[in-house]
Amino acid sequence: AQSVTQPDIHITVSEGASLELRCNYSYGATPYLFWYVQSPGQGLQLLLKYFSGDTLVQGIKGFEAEFKRSQSSFNLRKPSVHWSDAAEYFCAVGAGPTGGGNKLTFGTGTQLKVEL
Amino acid sequence: NAGVTQTPKFQVLKTGQSMTLQCAQDMNHEYMSWYRQDPGMGLRLIHYSVGAGITDQGEVPNGYNVSRSTTEDFPLRLLSAAPSQTSVYFCASSRSGGGTGEQYFGPGTRLTVT
Repeated sequence: AQSVTQPDIHITVSEGASLELRCNYSYGATPYLFWYVQSPGQGLQLLLKYFSGDTLVQGIKGFEAEFKRSQSSFNLRKPSVHWSDAAEYFCAVGAGPTGGGNKLTFGTGTQLKVEL
Repeated sequence: NAGVTQTPKFQVLKTGQSMTLQCAQDMNHEYMSWYRQDPGMGLRLIHYSVGAGITDQGEVPNGYNVSRSTTEDFPLRLLSAAPSQTSVYFCASSRSGGGTGEQYFGPGTRLTVT
């Protein structure tokens, strides 16, 4: 069964500092990997995705993530955090659009706080 | 193009009552899903559908029913609400075949069962 682990429940960074949110997954085949962001009281917005090709993927809002198959990781990074990045971030893994309904398994989320 | 819409935004039920959470999408997506979000547990899949007339159970299906009579709509029914169903519910849709399978989420329905 597929699973996702986000080991950091809360992270606090200063505005302007760099950010890395960790994500480890367990999946038997080539995974489809996603990072979503959720602002308070809002739905989920896709930040970026990986399914093949270049292992460093760029997303919206200046975020990037690197797929490392040997470490089963898909960590999210941003070089300089803005106060508006404060939100909850979810990593998710799926079988892709032809994989049985594109079911996603989510991690438990990382709450990001940005100090001014 | 409204994307994925959900109604109502908020709902309070008493134990034992029934209700239907509505979900609609206007992107002609084949796949639709329902998730519940609880603190510290991320999002968990309740039911999903790969097309009109086809539904299947996800990780936490007990207490919920779904049907898919049209491509656009995917309602979630609570037959007899329980306090354990207090949660935020999200509907999502995605394309089948091609693409990357990314899911588009609705704004959510916050349900409280007393």
